[in-house]
Amino acid sequence: GAVVSQHPSWVICKSGTSVKIECRSLDFQATTMFWYRQFPKQSLMLMATSNEGSKATYEQGVEKDKFLINHASLTLSTLTVTSAHPEDSSFYICSARVRQSNTEAFFGQGTRLTVV
Amino acid sequence: AQSVTQPDIHITVSEGASLELRCNYSYGATPYLFWYVQSPGQGLQLLLKYFSGDTLVQGIKGFEAEFKRSQSSFNLRKPSVHWSDAAEYFCAVGAVNDKIIFGKGTRLHILP
Repeated sequence: GAVVSQHPSWVICKSGTSVKIECRSLDFQATTMFWYRQFPKQSLMLMATSNEGSKATYEQGVEKDKFLINHASLTLSTLTVTSAHPEDSSFYICSARVRQSNTEAFFGQGTRLTVV
Repeated sequence: AQSVTQPDIHITVSEGASLELRCNYSYGATPYLFWYVQSPGQGLQLLLKYFSGDTLVQGIKGFEAEFKRSQSSFNLRKPSVHWSDAAEYFCAVGAVNDKIIFGKGTRLHILP
């Protein structure tokens, strides 16, 4: 199956700094990538949908200026958590949809972000 | 609006016993349905998916699911569970060019 690589798998940062998470589709082109946030023992909450070459669409309640999403190419999307605070600590997961099949999404392994 | 309901937060079964995890969905059109499994601290692995056709779908690891339009359900089943099946299971619904929405998940515990 298609492979989605997410990097880093875990990161610890200081409050006030910014952290960038990368999501790459390794063997396919993804027109759409999704970013999810998962709190401990809870479900995945969709944060935003990003389409290559256009602005991301954010879900209600997600701060656009805090969670910057860039989808610069058909194989790369990035999520930048700006001015991170301890409450931003979470598990972030990306997924990507195959260009020729707009129904199935493949998921990265997730990034554990801890803000201290 | 799309929504997915997994009524069971936790389920505990004995190893070797059969399993059924429930999932109900709400969607205005024909949905595409998925079951994913997540081990602790890991990403999601697709178990199976339903797009169209045969309503009984076979997946990996011996899992199957049945789509019942009249009941808006897509329950996951396995005839005999193994200890390695202990994980979190998520049902999800999506559609062409649309986002994928997840249920809250069901944590499966296996008794030896």
